Amino acid sequence: AQSVAQPEDQVNVAEGNPLTVKCTYSVSGNPYLFWYVQYPNRGLQFLLKYITGDNLVKGSYGFEAEFNKSQTSFHLKKPSALVSDSALYFCAVRDPPNNLFFGTGTRLTVIP
Amino acid sequence: DTGVSQDPRHKITKRGQNVTFRCDPISEHNRLYWYRQTLGQGPEFLTYFQNEAQLEKSRLLSDRFSAERPKGSFSTLEIQRTEQGDSAMYLCASSLMVGGPYEQYFGPGTRLTVT
Repeated sequence: AQSVAQPEDQVNVAEGNPLTVKCTYSVSGNPYLFWYVQYPNRGLQFLLKYITGDNLVKGSYGFEAEFNKSQTSFHLKKPSALVSDSALYFCAVRDPPNNLFFGTGTRLTVIP
Repeated sequence: DTGVSQDPRHKITKRGQNVTFRCDPISEHNRLYWYRQTLGQGPEFLTYFQNEAQLEKSRLLSDRFSAERPKGSFSTLEIQRTEQGDSAMYLCASSLMVGGPYEQYFGPGTRLTVT
């Protein structure tokens, strides 16, 4: 069965500092990995995905993620955090044939 | 706005009542998904449609739950004889079918509170 783990419930970072939100995965077959962000009282917004190709994937709002096959990780990163990045972030893996399996989420707080 | 829409945004009901939620996907998307999200958890898959055909159902979808997509456009999710454990955010998502795996685009959700 496919699964993802987000080991940190909460990440705090100062505005302007780089941020990392961690995700590890367990899949059978090729991993199709996704990051979503959820703001209060809103649905999930797609940030980026890894299907194949370059291990560094660039997405929306300046976010990027690094796929590491040997460490089975897909960490979300941003070089310089903004206060407006404060939100709940979810890592997800495709659960064949068609749906997504989500992690439990990491709450990011960017401190001014 | 051409995103996924859901109605209502909030629903409060008494235990034992039936409720129905509606989802309108992005118009060119032929795949539609329903998820449930409880506090402190990620969304959990419930069911999925390709056009009007319901192709997959999770074990979470008890026989009190039924979903339809009669014309391959909007979808409804009905919960009969609601229980307090049904209280959650119900999310709808849509995606393209051709090629992929394409990302799913989510609506704002319907928050259900069963009292």
